[in-house]
Amino acid sequence: DAGVTQSPTHLIKTRGQQVTLRCSPISGHKSVSWYQQVLGQGPQFIFQYYEKEERGRGNFPDRFSARQFPNYSSELNVNALLLGDSALYLCASSRQPGQGEYEQYFGPGTRLTVT
Amino acid sequence: AQSVTQLDSQVPVFEEAPVELRCNYSSSVSVYLFWYVQYPNQGLQLLLKYLSGSTLVKGINGFEAEFNKSQTSFHLRKPSVHISDTAEYFCAVTRYSSASKIIFGSGTRLSIRP
Repeated sequence: DAGVTQSPTHLIKTRGQQVTLRCSPISGHKSVSWYQQVLGQGPQFIFQYYEKEERGRGNFPDRFSARQFPNYSSELNVNALLLGDSALYLCASSRQPGQGEYEQYFGPGTRLTVT
Repeated sequence: AQSVTQLDSQVPVFEEAPVELRCNYSSSVSVYLFWYVQYPNQGLQLLLKYLSGSTLVKGINGFEAEFNKSQTSFHLRKPSVHISDTAEYFCAVTRYSSASKIIFGSGTRLSIRP
């Protein structure tokens, strides 16, 4: 079975621009989470979606938004990009929420560079 | 709120030597504990997790970890490392609940010397 896929792999944007990152979960998984990993740090939770509804939100500004589609894929949008948004953005999928009982499977990430 | 502290940012060891990566957590509620590995230019892979029961947890690639509630620690160990174990290792915690975020530590870079 295919794992979690993310696109694009790499992206370069300019300050002030907007970006959309995409994630396709493993078949049968209905929950998707997004994480930001700044170089040299651990991932930080941004959003969790389950059955197209937001189930959790981390401490990120309103410039960050996301949605989940009927096929359970997801998009992460970031508006008015700042230099500090440069990071690896990771998507993870699981069958359901409940991070202990249901293992999260991570994608390879999208490397965003803001210049 | 929960937090995770990984006490060593880098751990260099010789091939075939034992290794321990240290992790301490803080939480006012019961939590699940995890160790993830991240190889260069890849996403995260779950090594092992503690949900309940036996405090000694065995994972993939010969790794194991021991949950110590009194010391709020969850240290990762391997008796003999290989070059292929070179990676970043993250300790993580999440609450007992249906939709909880995972809180990650800052990571420990394990470098294996031949």
